[in-house]
Amino acid sequence: DVVLTQSPLSLPVTLGQPASISCRSSYSLLHSDGNTYLEWFQQRPGQSPRRLIYRVSNRDSGVPDRFSGSGSGTDFTLQISRVEAEDVGVYYCMQGTHWPHTFGPGTKLEIK
Amino acid sequence: EVRLVESGGGLVQPGGSLRLSCAAFGFTFSGSWMSWVRQAPGKGLEWAAHIKADGSGKYYVDSVKGRFTISRDNAKNSLYLQMNSLRAEDTAVYYCVSWGGAGTTSDWGQGTLVTVSS
Repeated sequence: DVVLTQSPLSLPVTLGQPASISCRSSYSLLHSDGNTYLEWFQQRPGQSPRRLIYRVSNRDSGVPDRFSGSGSGTDFTLQISRVEAEDVGVYYCMQGTHWPHTFGPGTKLEIK
Repeated sequence: EVRLVESGGGLVQPGGSLRLSCAAFGFTFSGSWMSWVRQAPGKGLEWAAHIKADGSGKYYVDSVKGRFTISRDNAKNSLYLQMNSLRAEDTAVYYCVSWGGAGTTSDWGQGTLVTVSS
């Protein structure tokens, strides 16, 4: 199975400052159809997960533009340009290129 | 508005069975891939099972293969997960997830808790 490694696992951030989460894959996530199925999810405390980014860099409807995704092959990044209080939670990367689809271990973002 | 409503969770003894259901509202269910994703208490997310829009393809994580069966009824806008031979490690919140527009949309239900314990 594809293993996704996230860093850091814990991310204390000052309000208004940027934040960055890395996701590395044990295999290339470039699919034979030409797409790269790397997605990012946010799970706020006590809530269901919500997708933020699909296919590396496409924001889901309603997601603030302070969230952005980048990367290719095996290395990917989620960036938050200015962290707000509502961004507290756990962030997961997920690959949908290879079966079974797998999630990273999660990065817990908290406010300093 | 998209809504996914799971039901059927509860307490079951090891070796027992349970059937989860997910009722879908507000989108074209028959055109959407569907999944069950689970989360053990205090842990991360794990993809459990996935089914294509027309039900022709089904995929499972190794830990549930041969024990869990995913199915759907497009006429009833419903997704199911039949869970047999349950183990303590199957204890988790089970989320119903839809993937519409060839994966360009994704929606999650509120989850249903399955507890396997004697």
